[in-house]
Amino acid sequence: GNSVTQMEGPVTLSEEAFLTINCTYTATGYPSLFWYVQYPGEGLQLLLKATKADDKGSNKGFEATYRKETTSFHLEKGSVQVSDSAVYFCALLYNTDKLIFGTGTRLQVFP
Amino acid sequence: EAGVTQSPTHLIKTRGQQVTLRCSPISGHTSVYWYQQALGLGLQFLLWYDEGEERNRGNFPPRFSGRQFPNYSSELNVNALELEDSALYLCASRLTQGLYGYTFGSGTRLTVV
Repeated sequence: GNSVTQMEGPVTLSEEAFLTINCTYTATGYPSLFWYVQYPGEGLQLLLKATKADDKGSNKGFEATYRKETTSFHLEKGSVQVSDSAVYFCALLYNTDKLIFGTGTRLQVFP
Repeated sequence: EAGVTQSPTHLIKTRGQQVTLRCSPISGHTSVYWYQQALGLGLQFLLWYDEGEERNRGNFPPRFSGRQFPNYSSELNVNALELEDSALYLCASRLTQGLYGYTFGSGTRLTVV
C-alpha cells in the first residue's frame, strides 16, 4: 500500500544552520507530495507541495523536490530560524484518496 | 475567505461519556476529513465524507462515527469515551477533485478523565 517514511526527530539545530528532513514514499503510481507544518498548539498548515516528478515546491525559504527515481521528497532550508521550530509532516495523496502522513519530525532551533 | 473552523477548541469529558465535535469546511469544499493526533503519535486517519456520504474509514472502532450535512459541514461523534481517546482531533477540507492537498482547521483538544 501507499506509505510515507520520515526521519525520526528531534532535529536540533542552531539558528542559521542548514536543514534537511528526509522523506521517502511508497506508492502505486504517481502521487502528489506535500509538507505540512504544525506549530505548537496549532493545527496543520500546508508548507509546500509538488504534484509531479521533478517539481520543486517552495515556500518561506523551504524547498523540496519530487524525485521519482529515489521516491523522495526531502525538505530543505538554507538558514533556519528559531521561529521554524515545529513538527514537520511529509504526506502523499494518490488518486483523490485520503492524505497519508509520515510520523512527523520535530525541529528545534536554538539561538 | 474563512478557513476550516472547528468547535469547540477544547473540552474535557469523563470516561464513558459521549462527545460531538463539529467542523465547517471552506466554502465550496465538498470533502471533509477527520484525523486523530494522540500525544506523541502521528496523524491517524479517521473518516472521509464527500457529498454527504462516508467514503472511507480508518482503523477505528464503531463508536467513532460521524456525518456530513447538506451544507458540507460535519460532525464527529465518539461514544463510550475511553482514556486513550484523549487527543487533538483535526478536521480538513478540500475540493472533491484535484490533487492539491487539504486545508486543516486548528483542531479540537479532547481530554478524557
